[in-house]
Amino acid sequence: DAMVIQNPRYQVTQFGKPVTLSCSQTLNHNVMYWYQQKSSQAPKLLFHYYDKDFNNEADTPDNFQSRRPNTSFCFLDIRSPGLGDAAMYLCATSRDRGRNTEAFFGQGTRLTVV
Amino acid sequence: QKEVEQDPGPLSVPEGAIVSLNCTYSNSAFQYFMWYRQYSRKGPELLMYTYSSGNKEDGRFTAQVDKSSKYISLFIRDSQPSDSATYLCAMKTGGGNKLTFGTGTQLKVEL
Repeated sequence: DAMVIQNPRYQVTQFGKPVTLSCSQTLNHNVMYWYQQKSSQAPKLLFHYYDKDFNNEADTPDNFQSRRPNTSFCFLDIRSPGLGDAAMYLCATSRDRGRNTEAFFGQGTRLTVV
Repeated sequence: QKEVEQDPGPLSVPEGAIVSLNCTYSNSAFQYFMWYRQYSRKGPELLMYTYSSGNKEDGRFTAQVDKSSKYISLFIRDSQPSDSATYLCAMKTGGGNKLTFGTGTQLKVEL
C-alpha cells in the first residue's frame, strides 16, 4: 500500500541524454516536491507544486524541469544530465501548506550518469 | 554556516542502549521540527513531527525541541539492530513549504 511511488528505482542515463523520472501518489495531497540527495548530504529541494502552481528554488539549475499533469502524477525532467547530477532523487507530498504539512517521501530514484 | 547542523557520525552503540541524536539550527523562524529515518538506498520515513518547543513520545522514540537554545533531540530507548539507519532532522517555518534538512547521523546498533 505504497503511498508515494517513484519509478524507476534505478536509472542509468548517458551524459547529455534527456531523462525523466516519475512520481505518483495515492494520498490526494495538494503539494508535491522534488528533492535531490547526493551521497552523505542533506536532501536539497529543487522545486514544488502547490496544486498546479509551480515554485522553483532560486538555486535550481535550468537543466531541471518539472511537470504535474494532474493531482496524482509529477515528473522530473533533466534536459542534459551531467556527471554532477548523479544522485538520489526523492519525491515527497504533503496535504497542504498549513499546519498539517508532514512530508511523505517515496523510495527515491537513484540516477547514474555514464 | 549551515542553517541546520547535525553530526554525521557514524555512531555505533550496543543493542539495548539509549541513543541521543541532536541538531542545532540558526533560523529562529523554524516552528515545525521533524525526524526522518532513512535506510540505505531508501527514501526518508517520517518518525516524529513536533510543533514549537516541548516533548513528544511515540513508543521507544522521544523528540525534544528547545527553541530558546535552537536545539532539537531524538532519543531512542532500547535500541535494536533494526534501528540502524541514517537519521535526518528537518524543520520548516510557519508559512513555508520548504523543509530544511540536516545532513543526517548514521547510526549502527550492534548485537
